[in-house]
Amino acid sequence: DGGITQSPKYLFRKEGQNVTLSCEQNLNHDAMYWYRQDPGQGLRLIYYSQIVNDFQKGDIAEGYSVSREKKESFPLTVTSAQKNPTAFYLCASRRGQGESPLHFGNGTRLTVT
Amino acid sequence: GENVEQHPSTLSVQEGDSAVIKCTYSDSASNYFPWYKQELGKRPQLIIDIRSNVGEKKDQRIAVTLNKTAKHFSLHITETQPEDSAVYFCAARSSASKIIFGSGTRLSIRP
Repeated sequence: DGGITQSPKYLFRKEGQNVTLSCEQNLNHDAMYWYRQDPGQGLRLIYYSQIVNDFQKGDIAEGYSVSREKKESFPLTVTSAQKNPTAFYLCASRRGQGESPLHFGNGTRLTVT
Repeated sequence: GENVEQHPSTLSVQEGDSAVIKCTYSDSASNYFPWYKQELGKRPQLIIDIRSNVGEKKDQRIAVTLNKTAKHFSLHITETQPEDSAVYFCAARSSASKIIFGSGTRLSIRP
């Protein structure tokens, strides 16, 4: 779905460096989400935001930070405090009212060595 | 905290047979239950969803059932085809906008 853009597709970093993953949406959705996916596992919620300038921790927020300064943007920073940062990261958005589905971006595969 | 359990983790069925994937959720306030299909290397795509005031919903070969009392919902795929091979995720929307996913089921269709 061209409405949610994650960049870059692949990202490589050295251990100890912070890295920021980009997520932009042009769907005019209020709510945005970050999930982490590891091989053979489900999608685990890192952070989510229902409106601009507000966000909540998900189940695995430790070592991550986010900001929501604009409705269309929800960048995720993976800090050096995250013990196992290598994973596939998925950003998603939804209208935020009622029971509307998530729309996912294509993901960013982060490798930290 | 909120939790969604999904079974089985892998499922292999003969082409043309039916496949059933089951999920349970912990938060009784959950009111929305989507199912996603993820093909290899691609993003998850919504295939069907159900709201808490409905017990069953069908869309061609796909159906979802919900039992709110038991906090249980299931995905049914009939007349399976090779293109149904993928990983399937259930999810539940609990308080506010928090959406929690199950661990996924890898479905393989045998020719």
